[in-house]
Amino acid sequence: NAGVTQTPKFQVLKTGQSMTLQCAQDMNHEYMSWYRQDPGMGLRLIHYSVGAGITDQGEVPNGYNVSRSTTEDFPLRLLSAAPSQTSVYFCASSYEVRGTGELFFGEGSRLTVL
Amino acid sequence: AQTVTQSQPEMSVQEAETVTLSCTYDTSESDYYLFWYKQPPSRQMILVIRQEAYKQQNATENRFSVNFQKAAKSFSLKISDSQLGDAAMYFCAYRSGLNYGGATNKLIFGTGTLLAVQP
Repeated sequence: NAGVTQTPKFQVLKTGQSMTLQCAQDMNHEYMSWYRQDPGMGLRLIHYSVGAGITDQGEVPNGYNVSRSTTEDFPLRLLSAAPSQTSVYFCASSYEVRGTGELFFGEGSRLTVL
Repeated sequence: AQTVTQSQPEMSVQEAETVTLSCTYDTSESDYYLFWYKQPPSRQMILVIRQEAYKQQNATENRFSVNFQKAAKSFSLKISDSQLGDAAMYFCAYRSGLNYGGATNKLIFGTGTLLAVQP
């Protein structure tokens, strides 16, 4: 059982380039989300999804785009990368949208924008 | 809006000793959940312990326990018999309860406490 899988684990981009961070889970979780982690700021929610076809913004959504075409996948797109988007990105999922269950995290993706 | 504060950026403990990490939070909600997550150098976020606000009893998981003071909005983590493998960044996190609409699976994180364990 792979859990939550993120790819790539490391990526270097130039300002203005676009890319997609992939997130896949094999636990049939309804809820999926993306966080970014920055030094001294903890983790902040970017976007989340409560099921296929349903997404919404979190705390820091600007510059990011998401879609949820299947239950398993929740990619995060950077449309035009900026140095301020240099961060570690985590995908997380849980079985219930509004449950008390544990949030499962991927291993993170470190993104550097030059 | 809810906030989570961890006032200790770094802590150090001797192996086999006990250490307490502090966390305070601010909320107007009465129903919520509190969590401690561990992030070792591998970056993996690992759930250490969870506390439901409606439960008066403090949660315990093996060597990890919490001191939950609801009135004071305090949620500290105690690690007993510290081991070298406990060295990590620890995050306190808040989540709204089931009675509140919206993204109730949204976690609000503190800024973290980096714990070093000295042999």
